[in-house]
Amino acid sequence: KAGVTQTPRYLIKTRGQQVTLSCSPISGHRSVSWYQQTPGQGLQFLFEYFSETQRNKGNFPGRFSGRQFSNSRSEMNVSTLELGDSALYLCASRMGVEYNEQFFGPGTRLTVL
Amino acid sequence: GENVEQHPSTLSVQEGDSAVIKCTYSDSASNYFPWYKQELGKRPQLIIDIRSNVGEKKDQRIAVTLNKTAKHFSLHITETQPEDSAVYFCAATTDLGSSNTGKLIFGQGTTLQVKP
Repeated sequence: KAGVTQTPRYLIKTRGQQVTLSCSPISGHRSVSWYQQTPGQGLQFLFEYFSETQRNKGNFPGRFSGRQFSNSRSEMNVSTLELGDSALYLCASRMGVEYNEQFFGPGTRLTVL
Repeated sequence: GENVEQHPSTLSVQEGDSAVIKCTYSDSASNYFPWYKQELGKRPQLIIDIRSNVGEKKDQRIAVTLNKTAKHFSLHITETQPEDSAVYFCAATTDLGSSNTGKLIFGQGTTLQVKP
């Protein structure tokens, strides 16, 4: 099976812009979680989607949002970008909510200038 | 709140030696503990995990131990090789069956360097 894929892999934006990142889970996986990775804060949970519904959300401002489509693909959106949003955004998929194992994609490296 | 502390932040060993990384969690409800390996510029890869009903789990050269009473768990790598060099992350979450949230709480990571 193909692994989790994310597009784009790299993105450069300026402050105030918005950005949309995409994640395609492993075939058959129905749950997608998003994480932010920075040198200072490490890996932090953003939110999880299952059956097109957000099931849990981390401690991030409302500028961070997401959605999931009927084919389990997920997108996350960050509006009004700030310099501090520069990070590697990782998504992870798992088969379903009753399964623990999460498998990560390669990430999208977002740079905000 | 939920927290996972990981030590050491960096670890340097000679090839063939053992490496041990330790994590402590705060939420006593945590019952699933995965370990991830992240090589430079690559995705985190799940290398081993343990559930709270098990005290130890082994997979070839890697093993994980769990002490529920003390709320800490450790990764042990034996006979280290240069390709083991990477950043290792521990994580914790609460397995609630169909109510699982998928929220992993990660430690800060340990950079392991294996010198040839």
